[in-house]
Amino acid sequence: GDSVTQMEGPVTLSEEAFLTINCTYTATGYPSLFWYVQYPGEGLQLLLKATKADDKGSNKGFEATYRKETTSFHLEKGSVQVSDSAVYFCALTVDTGRRALTFGSGTRLQVQP
Amino acid sequence: GAVVSQHPSRVICKSGTSVKIECRSLDFQATTMFWYRQFPKKSLMLMATSNEGSKATYEQGVEKDKFLINHASLTLSTLTVTSAHPEDSSFYICSATNDWAYTQYFGPGTRLTVL
Repeated sequence: GDSVTQMEGPVTLSEEAFLTINCTYTATGYPSLFWYVQYPGEGLQLLLKATKADDKGSNKGFEATYRKETTSFHLEKGSVQVSDSAVYFCALTVDTGRRALTFGSGTRLQVQP
Repeated sequence: GAVVSQHPSRVICKSGTSVKIECRSLDFQATTMFWYRQFPKKSLMLMATSNEGSKATYEQGVEKDKFLINHASLTLSTLTVTSAHPEDSSFYICSATNDWAYTQYFGPGTRLTVL
């Protein structure tokens, strides 16, 4: 079956530090890949996505590149802010027409001033 | 952006009672809605997929008679937890989509506590 593996958290960084959250996947078909973010007390929000190999998704300074050869979709940001503190979920969906998402376990990011 | 609401945000009930959770797409018509369950410090687990006017498709291991899903309109889906027990206590999250670009919009979730 399909699965997503994320690095365990929490990840604690100082403001302006570089962020990497690793995500690897296994999929039965050709997946689309996503990063969702969940801020405290809020619902999940789509952060970025990539639908084919070598695509780079980007939003709010975050980037992730769809690497088919390594089945990875690592999330990066060059300079984190306190407001980036949240839980980040990597997810995939395979084009089966059902469009359900398979999520990783989530990684909590804590950014300290 | 598209907004999805859930009601209630928190509910506490006694064991054996039923609880209904509503999921609404506020500014778009949702052809498909999904219901997830999130355990503490765990990922979201898909429970079922519902299309407007059709019976929900449940994931393996999810009891359809216990978790009743109704998707009566393009803006509303409901999840009813019947005869709730303490092990049903969890965070229930819905999402909605209206396109084939795989973008799902999530509700803020409902915290269910069964005493």
